[in-house]
Amino acid sequence: DAKTTQPPSMDCAEGRAANLPCNHSTISGNEYVYWYRQIHSQGPQYIIHGLKNNETNEMASLIITEDRKSSTLILPHATLRDTAVYYCIVRGRDDKIIFGKGTRLHILP
Amino acid sequence: DGGITQSPKYLFRKEGQNVTLSCEQNLNHDAMYWYRQDPGQGLRLIYYSQIVNDFQKGDIAEGYSVSREKKESFPLTVTSAQKNPTAFYLCASSPDGLNTEAFFGQGTRLTVV
Repeated sequence: DAKTTQPPSMDCAEGRAANLPCNHSTISGNEYVYWYRQIHSQGPQYIIHGLKNNETNEMASLIITEDRKSSTLILPHATLRDTAVYYCIVRGRDDKIIFGKGTRLHILP
Repeated sequence: DGGITQSPKYLFRKEGQNVTLSCEQNLNHDAMYWYRQDPGQGLRLIYYSQIVNDFQKGDIAEGYSVSREKKESFPLTVTSAQKNPTAFYLCASSPDGLNTEAFFGQGTRLTVV
C-alpha cells in the first residue's frame, strides 16, 4: 500500500503558484519523499526529492514539515504544460517505489 | 544517449498467448521495476529487481514473470494466467540507494483480444 495521501484533484490559475500537499504520517527516519508527475500516456517524470530539508531545483520547490509527516510541492509559476497527475512517494528501506493515486492538477487559462 | 527503452510502444496479442515486453537501460542502474497502469488509475508494482539474478514480487505479480540475467535488461512476460492483461506497462530503473531518482521508459500499451 502507498504510504502517502494526496487530494484527488486541484485547480490552479496559469501564472500562479501551484501548491500540492501530501501527507505521509508513517514516514520513517531514513525514508525520502519523492515527487513525480505523469503527463497523459507518458512515463512518469522525476521532479524533486528530499529527506528533511527544503529543496529547490529548476522545476519546483519541496517543503517538508519539521515532523516530516507532510510535505508540499510548489510549482512557482504554473503553465498549461504543468497539467498532469502528480505523485508523492515515500521511498523505503526495501527500495520499493510504490505509487498512490496522485493528484490530478488542472491549470486553468 | 543514455536512457531506458521499452519496446514495442503498442502490442496486440490474442487471448491465451504469452507475450514478453522488453525493457533495456544503458544507465548502469542496479535496480529495475515493472508497473502496470489501468485507465484513470495509478501505477501498481508488478516486480522489481535490485541486482542481477535476483528479483522480488510486487503487489500484483500473479500472472507475470520476469528475469534479470543482465544488468541492462529486465524483460516482463505476461502469461495466459493473467486474467486482465490489457493495460499500459511501464518500466523504470534507478541506481542503488534511497537517495536516487528513478527513470521511466515511455511504456508499452498491450491489448489482448
